[in-house]
Amino acid sequence: SQQGEEDPQALSIQEGENATMNCSYKTSINNLQWYRQNSGRGLVHLILIRSNEREKHSGRLRVTLDTSKKSSSLLITASRAADTASYFCATATVTGANSKLTFGKGITLSVRP
Amino acid sequence: NAGVMQNPRHLVRRRGQEARLRCSPMKGHSHVYWYRQLPEEGLKFMVYLQKENIIDESGMPKERFSAEFPKEGPSILRIQQVVRGDSAAYFCASSPRGTYNEQFFGPGTRLTVL
Repeated sequence: SQQGEEDPQALSIQEGENATMNCSYKTSINNLQWYRQNSGRGLVHLILIRSNEREKHSGRLRVTLDTSKKSSSLLITASRAADTASYFCATATVTGANSKLTFGKGITLSVRP
Repeated sequence: NAGVMQNPRHLVRRRGQEARLRCSPMKGHSHVYWYRQLPEEGLKFMVYLQKENIIDESGMPKERFSAEFPKEGPSILRIQQVVRGDSAAYFCASSPRGTYNEQFFGPGTRLTVL
């Protein structure tokens, strides 16, 4: 089963609206990261939130983390057509001497101009 | 500072042939990760390497797949005797430190097995 599962699977909004995407996970984490992937491209890191942080901002992005509920949300405010992409959450976990980044299946965001 | 480079960008192989995928990490990065992405799915971790060492290969299929990151030169993901099910996008990422931190991704190699 997935460590990180995003919700919804797909989201379609009008330009200017806010987009909220959620991610839930199962095991304890060191940090949680959000990435964006444009069609046919590699992933681009957006923001990292550590397990002892509750909220973080970066430009139009706002990420929250609730470790008691094992969930995170990514809010994109005042969306633009250029925000159209797939968004992935990734959880960083530690197992013994190794750490690992586990990605969810992603959310497809479409922003209509 | 050039980003993570992968080549080739597209690779077509017939069943039974070998595929070699190359990844040059960002300058100063000694940690390399390989992921596989199937259509409409997220990334699946395959292997984590540091220079000359495989740190975690828990995501690598037991047969036909191998990876290396030599002291000099790019990291190589090698798939022997490819099958149609190996068709996917393979992404390489690098980081200056361990996997706690953000990873920088290459553009990927799209492997098609005929």
